[in-house]
Amino acid sequence: NAGVTQTPKFQVLKTGQSMTLQCAQDMNHEYMSWYRQDPGMGLRLIHYSVGAGITDQGEVPNGYNVSRSTTEDFPLRLLSAAPSQTSVYFCASSYSNVFAGATDTQYFGPGTRLTVL
Amino acid sequence: KNQVEQSPQSLIILEGKNCTLQCNYTVSPFSNLRWYKQDTGRGPVSLTIMTFSENTKSNGRYTATLDADTKQSSLHITASQLSDSASYICVVSARWTTDSWGKFQFGAGTQVVVTP
Repeated sequence: NAGVTQTPKFQVLKTGQSMTLQCAQDMNHEYMSWYRQDPGMGLRLIHYSVGAGITDQGEVPNGYNVSRSTTEDFPLRLLSAAPSQTSVYFCASSYSNVFAGATDTQYFGPGTRLTVL
Repeated sequence: KNQVEQSPQSLIILEGKNCTLQCNYTVSPFSNLRWYKQDTGRGPVSLTIMTFSENTKSNGRYTATLDADTKQSSLHITASQLSDSASYICVVSARWTTDSWGKFQFGAGTQVVVTP
């Protein structure tokens, strides 16, 4: 049981390049989400999904796309990277909808550190 | 304005000593409050989850308290160990109502350094 896995661990991009951050979980969780963590700030929600085929925007969705074709995978796409997207990105999953007040544990991946030059 | 404020921003304590971290929030209507531990270079790991009706919850040497009336929570670390060096994050969730969807607000965290 690997939990939540993310790849790559580190990535450097040039402005304008595109890439996909991978996230997978093996706990059969319906609810998955992407966050970014910047120095001095709390984690901020980018996008989330309540099941395969269903996604929605979070607090800071601009510049990012997501899709959810399977329960296990929830990739995050940067269409045209900008220096403002330099951050650490975390993927998380839970059995129930923590965004609606459920008290289930939310499991986080190890993170991807992205630098955009 | 962040609806979850944590203090202090950082603290240094000697191994074996106790410390208390604070979390004040304005998130409403309140559903639950979580404390996470985040080691450097790792993802957050859940320590405790408390609902409105719970005012204390323990996880080993970690004890969280909640005062929903004053909208304050604290995390107490007893007999600190070097492995307690980490960032501790408070997260407050709002109940879904007809006026808003549930919100999940993160504090900026308190960086704890335990020295020998």
